[in-house]
Amino acid sequence: DAGVIQSPRHEVTEMGQEVTLRCKPISGHNSLFWYRQTMMRGLELLIYFNNNVPIDDSGMPEDRFSAKMPNASFSTLKIQPSEPRDSAVYFCASSLGYLNTEAFFGQGTRLTVV
Amino acid sequence: DQQVKQNSPSLSVQEGRISILNCDYTNSMFDYFLWYKKYPAEGPTFLISISSIKDKNEDGRFTVFLNKSAKHLSLHIVPSQPGDSAVYFCAASAGYGSGDKLTFGTGTRLAVRP
Repeated sequence: DAGVIQSPRHEVTEMGQEVTLRCKPISGHNSLFWYRQTMMRGLELLIYFNNNVPIDDSGMPEDRFSAKMPNASFSTLKIQPSEPRDSAVYFCASSLGYLNTEAFFGQGTRLTVV
Repeated sequence: DQQVKQNSPSLSVQEGRISILNCDYTNSMFDYFLWYKKYPAEGPTFLISISSIKDKNEDGRFTVFLNKSAKHLSLHIVPSQPGDSAVYFCAASAGYGSGDKLTFGTGTRLAVRP
């Protein structure tokens, strides 16, 4: 398996534009996570899906952020409209969905909003 | 509210010596703990884990110690090698009721000097 695949690797956009980040989890994994890495907060969980259903979105910073998982092999994180403070590295991760199992991370998308 | 804390943002160690990275947590429901390693421009990769029923887990040069009463865990790397230079994240999950969701600390940057 190629692991968790994220696209794009880098995204530069202007303030106010819509940004869509994409993720393909590892085949057979039932849980999918979106994290954001910042210096101040480290790896911050934004949203967590299990069997394609959003379980916990309490980490989504505000209504400008939304995430979907239309099927077991694809998820998107959308920011609309984007703001400079959204600049960060966004990671997608997947796991088997059982207790006490590790999550596998993609290489991340570095988002810069100018 | 940072439930997992890594109070040392950086650590520098001589090659061959021991590296000790520390992590504290506040949520008494956490029962599974993990360490991840992250190189620049890559996603975090799983390193080692420990269940709350144990106080020590060893894997080669890496040992994780858990002190439940103090809500503290540490990662020991012996001997340290230049290739260990990376950011190390501590993570925890609360088991039943929260699924396999991981809460991360802010990370400690380890530099191993040749």
